Amino acid sequence: SAVISQKPSRDICQRGTSLTIQCQVDSQVTMMFWYRQQPGQSLTLIATANQGSEATYESGFVIDKFPISRPNLTFSTLTVSNMSPEDSSIYLCSVDALADSENSDTQYFGPGTRLTVL
Amino acid sequence: RKEVEQDPGPFNVPEGATVAFNCTYSNSASQSFFWYRQDCRKEPKLLMSVYSSGNEDGRFTAQLNRASQYISLLIRDSKLSDSATYLCAVTQYTGGFKTIFGAGTRLFVKA
Repeated sequence: SAVISQKPSRDICQRGTSLTIQCQVDSQVTMMFWYRQQPGQSLTLIATANQGSEATYESGFVIDKFPISRPNLTFSTLTVSNMSPEDSSIYLCSVDALADSENSDTQYFGPGTRLTVL
Repeated sequence: RKEVEQDPGPFNVPEGATVAFNCTYSNSASQSFFWYRQDCRKEPKLLMSVYSSGNEDGRFTAQLNRASQYISLLIRDSKLSDSATYLCAVTQYTGGFKTIFGAGTRLFVKA
């Protein structure tokens, strides 16, 4: 299984500012995903980050608010821009398992970034 | 209608009990099916994949009914350590690969 790290693990930010979250994987992966999990809620997919192309955003999420970078096959960043208290959430990156593994199509998650916006 | 719906929970059961969770999905093009476990303040981790033939892993049994678009998870002989949130997930390939999660069902196993 992939080992995924995220930085920062948590942050408290003022409204109107931006925060960039980093996700590092210990192996090369084709697809990386960014999810949001608000308190007591399930995971909501924000976007899919593919190396060498623009991220694909889900309905309700736009690039201006959540710009994503994917400079190589082991790293991605998600920026939460012009934050408001409604952006307070846990943000998780994930990768899919290797296609030839027993559990292909499953997701491995990073530990998450807990964001509080005041 | 949500794409993936689960029992609302929470489920409060004594140790040793058998508990069943249900999940329905709306997109008939869904390809793969999973149960994840999420402990408090932790990331989700794969519990088991779900196959049409049904599959078992120790005390855990998962079933898939494609015709009814229904997935289930059965936990036998519940342990205190089974207390967690159980997330149903389906993978779709329409317009790109993505995994959709249910809202999760909270399980409390008490002594």
